[in-house]
Amino acid sequence: ETGVTQSPTHLIKTRGQQVTLRCSSQSGHNTVSWYQQALGQGPQFIFQYYREEENGRGNFPPRFSGLQFPNYSSELNVNALELDDSALYLCASSFPGVEQFFGPGTRLTVL
Amino acid sequence: AQTVTQSQPEMSVQEAETVTLSCTYDTSESNYYLFWYKQPPSRQMILVIRQEAYKQQNATENRFSVNFQKAAKSFSLKISDSQLGDTAMYFCAFTQPGAGSYQLTFGKGTKLSVIP
Repeated sequence: ETGVTQSPTHLIKTRGQQVTLRCSSQSGHNTVSWYQQALGQGPQFIFQYYREEENGRGNFPPRFSGLQFPNYSSELNVNALELDDSALYLCASSFPGVEQFFGPGTRLTVL
Repeated sequence: AQTVTQSQPEMSVQEAETVTLSCTYDTSESNYYLFWYKQPPSRQMILVIRQEAYKQQNATENRFSVNFQKAAKSFSLKISDSQLGDTAMYFCAFTQPGAGSYQLTFGKGTKLSVIP
């Protein structure tokens, strides 16, 4: 059984640029959630996708957007990057259900 | 809005000893779930243990157990026979059914160091 994978592992962008992060869900899972974890903080919920539809959103501006594909993999897009967007971005998949399984994260640095 | 509070930013424990991490939460709902996640330096969030609010019995997973006090809204994690591999950030998390979305609300975490 393949776990949740994310790419890239880390990347560096400059303020104002756009970035796309990718997530492959665990085999058999059709729900993907994205979280932002700032340094020294707990993860914060960005949004969730279920069967290619957004199924819940946290307190993040519209420049954070996402997609889910028919194979249930997902993308997180962030436009007009700001310095405060520097964080670890975590993807989690589920069946759906209560238990979420996390990937290793993408470390984004905005300069 | 639900909140999760972890009042211990850092803790340390001697190898083979027992340590308890604290967590309190706030919700007006009666149906919810609580979790403890472990995040080692490798960054991957790993589920340690989960507790359903409707269950009175405290959850146990090998060396890990919880003390769930629903009325007090308290959910502590006890690690017995601590091992060096237990060194990590530990996050308490909360979720509840809501329009099919089980979004997790996390605390700020407790950094646990196991000392040889």
